[in-house]
Amino acid sequence: QVQLTESGPGLVHPSETLSLTCTVSGFSLTGYSVYWVRQPSGKGLEWMGRMRYNGDTSYNSALKSRLSISRDTSKNQVFLKMNSLQTDDTGTYYCTRARYTTDFDYWGQGVMVTVSS
Amino acid sequence: DTVLTQSPALAVSPGERVSISCRASEGVNSYMHWYQQKPGQQPKLLIYKASNLASGVPARFSGSGSGTDFTLTIDPVEADDTATYFCQQSWNDPYTFGAGTKLELK
Repeated sequence: QVQLTESGPGLVHPSETLSLTCTVSGFSLTGYSVYWVRQPSGKGLEWMGRMRYNGDTSYNSALKSRLSISRDTSKNQVFLKMNSLQTDDTGTYYCTRARYTTDFDYWGQGVMVTVSS
Repeated sequence: DTVLTQSPALAVSPGERVSISCRASEGVNSYMHWYQQKPGQQPKLLIYKASNLASGVPARFSGSGSGTDFTLTIDPVEADDTATYFCQQSWNDPYTFGAGTKLELK
């Protein structure tokens, strides 16, 4: 069945770089796009960026200067790297699969990231 | 960016009908989707493209609208429906989410 699993450090120090991995199963990264979405505690959802099925990437303009998304199709993994982290980057980070209708039908369980010294 | 506006909270009694609205700052055709999120869980897709029920979602949930005004309806509401409901548009880049409507049961 379709699964997405995020992994990465739970704690990052201010000004450091966040590296997260989304490992997928049950579908191919060359057939579906994968998005990263984050959620500050108790707040709403923010689209961060996407890795399209064809390898193209797009980023939220508010994060574009700090964000990079890549993938390894042989390992069924999508990677997120975001630099210069600050305390307001604290929250839960999700990867999610987009269908051709561009809704998000499967989500990972999320990884909680705290930015603190 | 397309701003999606939702009412922050609603309170209803079990068995009642509730409508949750989402208004877009610009047209999104029918590319509006709805998600349910319970505390400590990831969002779950309920409705895609305005009115299509996602797989496994009870028929108590329905969606309507096009252009800029959309509605998620739950009828009848059950106790398990206590959650926050988000709308999301995918017509205009970047895709955006509403701030969520927290549904509480009386």
